[in-house]
Amino acid sequence: TQLLEQSPQFLSIQEGENLTVYCNSSSVFSSLQWYRQEPGEGPVLLVTVVTGGEVKKLKRLTFQFGDARKDSSLHITAAQPGDTGLYLCAGPYFGNEKLTFGTGTRLTIIP
Amino acid sequence: KAGVTQTPRYLIKTRGQQVTLSCSPISGHRSVSWYQQTPGQGLQFLFEYFSETQRNKGNFPGRFSGRQFSNSRSEMNVSTLELGDSALYLCASSLGPGRTSYEQYFGPGTRLTVT
Repeated sequence: TQLLEQSPQFLSIQEGENLTVYCNSSSVFSSLQWYRQEPGEGPVLLVTVVTGGEVKKLKRLTFQFGDARKDSSLHITAAQPGDTGLYLCAGPYFGNEKLTFGTGTRLTIIP
Repeated sequence: KAGVTQTPRYLIKTRGQQVTLSCSPISGHRSVSWYQQTPGQGLQFLFEYFSETQRNKGNFPGRFSGRQFSNSRSEMNVSTLELGDSALYLCASSLGPGRTSYEQYFGPGTRLTVT
């Protein structure tokens, strides 16, 4: 079974601070997506990265895909309470059409 | 454009019963996937349908089944319910096979509780 590990599992920080969460695997991804899920709702797609080394910015969120396409990171600048949620990375491993989801990082931003 | 809708939102069933959950994808999306989400196992892939055919299947017992209709709407069925089937069942739609299938648009889920 291929594992997609996210770290940290839980993160609680003050509003205005910066943070980074990580998504790691021992296998190569064809592409990788990041989702955010709020309580009582389904995950919402934030971004897709495809090319090794790719960096995408979405307002205060910066997503990076590792050069070897085995890992990714999400950096949030000046976190706000609205960033609170469960962050999930997901991707199809190279040669596999199924989407594998990471273990998740539960982020809480304290006002 | 309306999002993915799932019905019902909440369901309570007894062990041994069966249940059917429904999903309507975003208009124009032809691929529907189902996931089970639990605190212990996270989000796990159940199956994917495209053009009324199952394209991929996760590692779940045969009690879990699904189907897709010609209008892309999908249903999943769980027979002989067990306590461990209590979970949030999520439906997601995408445009279709290929790279676009990995960008999933999720519904709000059906919270199933088995007693």
